[in-house]
Amino acid sequence: QQQVKQSPQSLIVQKGGIPIINCAYENTAFDYFPWYQQFPGKGPALLIAIRPDVSEKKEGRFTISFNKSAKQFSLHIMDSQPGDSATYFCAASSHGSARQLTFGSGTQLTVLP
Amino acid sequence: DTAVSQTPKYLVTQMGNDKSIKCEQNLGHDTMYWYKQDSKKFLKIMFSYNNKELIINETVPNRFSPKSPDKAHLNLHINSLELGDSAVYFCASSQLGGSYNQPQHFGDGTRLSIL
Repeated sequence: QQQVKQSPQSLIVQKGGIPIINCAYENTAFDYFPWYQQFPGKGPALLIAIRPDVSEKKEGRFTISFNKSAKQFSLHIMDSQPGDSATYFCAASSHGSARQLTFGSGTQLTVLP
Repeated sequence: DTAVSQTPKYLVTQMGNDKSIKCEQNLGHDTMYWYKQDSKKFLKIMFSYNNKELIINETVPNRFSPKSPDKAHLNLHINSLELGDSAVYFCASSQLGGSYNQPQHFGDGTRLSIL
């Protein structure tokens, strides 16, 4: 059973565009929602994270929007650059699970120059 | 210095062999993890150790055996390798006892290919 559903599977945008990646979760015990960025041949790296008591978090060009009632959250990348081309994973964890991360299926983002 | 390092980076071997992957972290974290990333890039937790004690053991064949000699090391031994074991294996670490929601730091992975 996939507890975190991520879409789209792949995304192509022009430089300067605003790609949006969406995730939905089922487990209401989740209380931490990070996004990870993975480049080819590298491990995932934390990009930005949010707690369910806030509806939005911004760090530089990256913004997480969170809708607790809908159990959905999304990543927006402002003024996207070719260097942002990577695979993006949403994830979720709960306090009672030793902070075990449940990952979405990933989105392959390509930003064209 | 690399925070979470795994060796080897590539491992090519034949079906039926036994192999080990090593992981070391120099972040002073108390918890380490093994994840498996399949060919579709799906990431799934396999094991987690906190202060050398196993705390997460997902549904993984018992051919996979983690071992944590100390807080900074978590190794993965795989017996009787099968074709389906081909994947990228990631080690990660975090500080569970620290402040809220300490991030997990990942190594660069070990790509295991079974011939």
